[in-house]
Amino acid sequence: DIQMTQSPSSLSASVGDRVTITCRASQSISSYLNWYQQKPGKAPKLLIYAASSLQSGVPSRFSGSGSGTDFTLTISSLQPEDFATYYCQQSYSTPPGFGQGTKLEIK
Amino acid sequence: QVQLQESGPGLVKPSETLSLTCTVSGGSISSYYWSWIRQPPGKGLEWIGYIYYSGSTNYNPSLKSRVTISVDTSKNQFSLKLSSVTAADTAVYYCARRITMVRGGRYYYYMDVWGKGTTVTVSS
Repeated sequence: DIQMTQSPSSLSASVGDRVTITCRASQSISSYLNWYQQKPGKAPKLLIYAASSLQSGVPSRFSGSGSGTDFTLTISSLQPEDFATYYCQQSYSTPPGFGQGTKLEIK
Repeated sequence: QVQLQESGPGLVKPSETLSLTCTVSGGSISSYYWSWIRQPPGKGLEWIGYIYYSGSTNYNPSLKSRVTISVDTSKNQFSLKLSSVTAADTAVYYCARRITMVRGGRYYYYMDVWGKGTTVTVSS
């Protein structure tokens, strides 16, 4: 199985900050990488697919980049509704595993 | 827009079979893949498997011996059965639609619509 490792596991930031979350795959996955946002008690929500494509309806302050083994999710200017847990997921091979999550908290 | 709703017992006894159904509304189950994902309390997400509307399936190898996913196109539903459950199977279970996108000759997959999730507790 391909292992997905996110860093940091948790992060404190303020409204208006620029935030970057990293996801590393245990082997090359080209650009087969998705990002999801999950708020407490809610289902995950797709933000980014194919490493850098913004899902319809997702604010443009979210962006994704990377290829191969290293990927990043960037939020350009944090808004109050962005405080949540973020997961990366590889879709290169079965099982399409997730990272352990990055919890973004208010500073 | 397409909506998904999970349903099934919230409590299952150890060694028994967990059975859940996902009902698709606002669209057809045809022409898509449909997935099950779970999340143990306070932990991350685990992909369980998916089914194509035609019935072909793919399961997580770690659960394959215990998992069956089926589809009923006449009811616009798909289902999950997980046998011989233990406390480790206690989780929120989500159903989701899997999208296939073709770009530059490559096939990209992602889950764009999710149900709200249903909590299943395994306990005697």
